[in-house]
Amino acid sequence: AQSVTQLGSHVSVSEGALVLLRCNYSSSVPPYLFWYVQYPNQGLQLLLKYTSAATLVKGINGFEAEFKKSETSFHLTKPSAHMSDAAEYFCAVRGPYGGSQGNLIFGKGTKLSVKP
Amino acid sequence: GAGVSQTPSNKVTEKGKYVELRCDPISGHTALYWYRQSLGQGPEFLIYFQGTGAADDSGLPNDRFFAVRPEGSVSTLKIQRTERGDSAVYLCASSSREGEADTQYFGPGTRLTVL
Repeated sequence: AQSVTQLGSHVSVSEGALVLLRCNYSSSVPPYLFWYVQYPNQGLQLLLKYTSAATLVKGINGFEAEFKKSETSFHLTKPSAHMSDAAEYFCAVRGPYGGSQGNLIFGKGTKLSVKP
Repeated sequence: GAGVSQTPSNKVTEKGKYVELRCDPISGHTALYWYRQSLGQGPEFLIYFQGTGAADDSGLPNDRFFAVRPEGSVSTLKIQRTERGDSAVYLCASSSREGEADTQYFGPGTRLTVL
């Protein structure tokens, strides 16, 4: 069964610093991977997704993620943090084989704080 | 265009009561999902509809939970004999077609509080 682990429930960076949010997945087959962002009292918004094409995926708001099969990782990065990036970020996997093909399996989330 | 909408945004009820939560998906989206997000956790899958039928209800925690989508658009999540442990944010998402990589668009959620 697919699963997702997000290392670090809370990450704090200074404005202008590199953002690195970690995600490792477990899957017996090549997964489809997603990063969502959730602002306070709002729904989840898709940042980017990996669908077995390019391993480096660019998303909205300057975020990108790299799929590394050998490390079973899909870490999210942004070169320079902005105050507006403060939010909770969720990594999710949707497996193509076995079990449900429909639902997303989410990690527990990482809350990003940005200090001025 | 309009996104996924959910009503009510907040629902407070007493233990043992019955509640209904409504989801209006994006027009034309055939797939609809319900998730539950407890405090400090990621969303957990409840049920998935493709059209009018439940394609996968393996995430429903017990038989107190039920969902319908009679006309293939609006869906209602129904919870009977609510318990304090049912308190959470219930999220609805829709996508344009069944496919592994299709993006799920989420609504703002309904925050359910069971006293």
